[in-house]
Amino acid sequence: QKEVEQNSGPLSVPEGAIASLNCTYSDRGSQSFFWYRQYSGKSPELIMFIYSNGDKEDGRFTAQLNKASQYVSLLIRDSQPSDSATYLCAVTGGGNKLTFGTGTQLKVEL
Amino acid sequence: ETGVTQTPRHLVMGMTNKKSLKCEQHLGHNAMYWYKQSAKKPLELMFVYNFKEQTENNSVPSRFSPECPNSSHLFLHLHTLQPEDSALYLCASSRDREGGQETQYFGPGTRLLVL
Repeated sequence: QKEVEQNSGPLSVPEGAIASLNCTYSDRGSQSFFWYRQYSGKSPELIMFIYSNGDKEDGRFTAQLNKASQYVSLLIRDSQPSDSATYLCAVTGGGNKLTFGTGTQLKVEL
Repeated sequence: ETGVTQTPRHLVMGMTNKKSLKCEQHLGHNAMYWYKQSAKKPLELMFVYNFKEQTENNSVPSRFSPECPNSSHLFLHLHTLQPEDSALYLCASSRDREGGQETQYFGPGTRLLVL
């Protein structure tokens, strides 16, 4: 079983729609959860992090964490073509070791 | 310069060459990391340094040799690599290694091709 699982996609959404990206993790002791965005040929850049159950909003982005079900999701409202990228879910346990998923490719279509 | 920088950005080397990758962070962080990113695979943690001390080596082959002379600089020395080592090598830093909640910031990466 992969430690952090994501659907590789591509996930295609029309411009202006809500994009929903999901991630599940296997380590129940995981403490911190991160979403990184990676454009093709570029390095990952942090979008959001979340530590507690529930929702966390930052602009058009909302991270949702459910520790009981061991999943974390990222919602992107009013999706723009510039949001087209691969979104990496990353999870840490003790000692700040980040374990990444393979990423979900998002395509926002005009 | 700000953030995390890496040089070179692109590197082509033969299997008998010796080269080094350099990473520098300007964020005042104490922890630095080397990751490998291959196509269709998750980011793989290679090495971790915390306050200049290596705290993690994820079973990386000895043809990769890290060096951390101070908290701001991290090197990855490469020798006798294999074609399957071709990948994007990413450096990251965080405030420190402990706590489990420290965000890691990535450099732009070095795209390595081994012929």
